[in-house]
Amino acid sequence: DQQVKQNSPSLSVQEGRISILNCDYTNSMFDYFLWYKKYPAEGPTFLISISSIKDKNEDGRFTVFLNKSAKHLSLHIVPSQPGDSAVYFCAASARSWGKFQFGAGTQVVVTP
Amino acid sequence: DAGITQSPRHKVTETGTPVTLRCHQTENHRYMYWYRQDPGHGLRLIHYSYGVKDTDKGEVSDGYSVSRSKTEDFLLTLESATSSQTSVYFCAISEVTGELFFGEGSRLTVL
Repeated sequence: DQQVKQNSPSLSVQEGRISILNCDYTNSMFDYFLWYKKYPAEGPTFLISISSIKDKNEDGRFTVFLNKSAKHLSLHIVPSQPGDSAVYFCAASARSWGKFQFGAGTQVVVTP
Repeated sequence: DAGITQSPRHKVTETGTPVTLRCHQTENHRYMYWYRQDPGHGLRLIHYSYGVKDTDKGEVSDGYSVSRSKTEDFLLTLESATSSQTSVYFCAISEVTGELFFGEGSRLTVL
């Protein structure tokens, strides 16, 4: 039962433009959300998080938006850079559980 | 970077043989996890531990067992490997309220 879904397997964006990655979830108990970036042959690295008490969190070029009523979150990367080419995973948890469910990932390719 | 070491990093084995993957942390984090990554599925939780000798199943636990006898070590065992267990395995650690920190991964091929 896939409770976290990333429906776009890939995204191509020009360098300097905005990348928007989307993630949907079905479990209303989820209250903590994470985004990870993964390069080939490496482990995922943490990018940014958001708690359900907020609807936006920013860290440099990365902003995550949370729409609880729609059970939807998105990651904005502005401006996109070639080093952003990677697979991005969203993850969700109920904080009391201590375990996360991940989406299938979105492959981002930033072109010159 | 969080101090997480996975071993072995690469392993090729035959169907029916036992395999153990080791995760070692130097961060003294309470929670440890084993995930597998497969195309089209993202990262799926196999087992996790919330303390020494305290473990629980994840979403894809069939065919896997775990043990945690010390805070720093979390072992994943495939008692009798099958081709469907060919995957990349990631160990992760966290404090109870924080994000996950992942190891470099262990690539397992079962022939």
